[in-house]
Amino acid sequence: GDSVTQMEGPVTLSEEAFLTINCTYTATGYPSLFWYVQYPGEGLQLLLKATKADDKGSNKGFEATYRKETTSFHLEKGSVQVSDSAVYFCAAHGYNNNDMRFGAGTRLTVKP
Amino acid sequence: SAVISQKPSRDICQRGTSLTIQCQVDSQVTMMFWYRQQPGQSLTLIATANQGSEATYESGFVIDKFPISRPNLTFSTLTVSNMSPEDSSIYLCSVEIAGVDTQYFGPGTRLTVL
Repeated sequence: GDSVTQMEGPVTLSEEAFLTINCTYTATGYPSLFWYVQYPGEGLQLLLKATKADDKGSNKGFEATYRKETTSFHLEKGSVQVSDSAVYFCAAHGYNNNDMRFGAGTRLTVKP
Repeated sequence: SAVISQKPSRDICQRGTSLTIQCQVDSQVTMMFWYRQQPGQSLTLIATANQGSEATYESGFVIDKFPISRPNLTFSTLTVSNMSPEDSSIYLCSVEIAGVDTQYFGPGTRLTVL
């Protein structure tokens, strides 16, 4: 079945460092791909999405490119801030309406 | 997108009791879902809440333990029945709008069972 694998955390970075969180998926067909962010004590917020190969999703300085050849959707940010400290979830949405699969989540801590 | 609210935001309950969580959306949506997020874990889909009919449960979840109602296109409830400490989790409601394959999440209900 479909699945999402993302880089295990926790990840600790200094402010202004470069961030990469790896995410790969297995799916039949071409799912839509998402990154969600969960700040402490809150629900999930949609960070960005991409619906087809070579699409790039971007938001708040974060980017991820849908790579069909490597079945990947890695999250990147050029310069992280303390306020980016959160848990990040990669997700894939297949053809069925209830077929949303989530990765395990990666906890990011950014230190001043 | 959609604005989703959940009540209560958190609760501490005694073993053996039940808690009903409400999810309200500011617009009519086709799909509503309930997830569980155990401490430090990812999300697990409990069920799809179907308007006017019985919910569709995922493997490992049953109606007797997690009864769900969805009387209309903007509201759903999830009940956690006969609770035990293992039910301590965050329970999240999400919605999907017709034609948009994106799920939007409520703020979650943080449940602690003593």
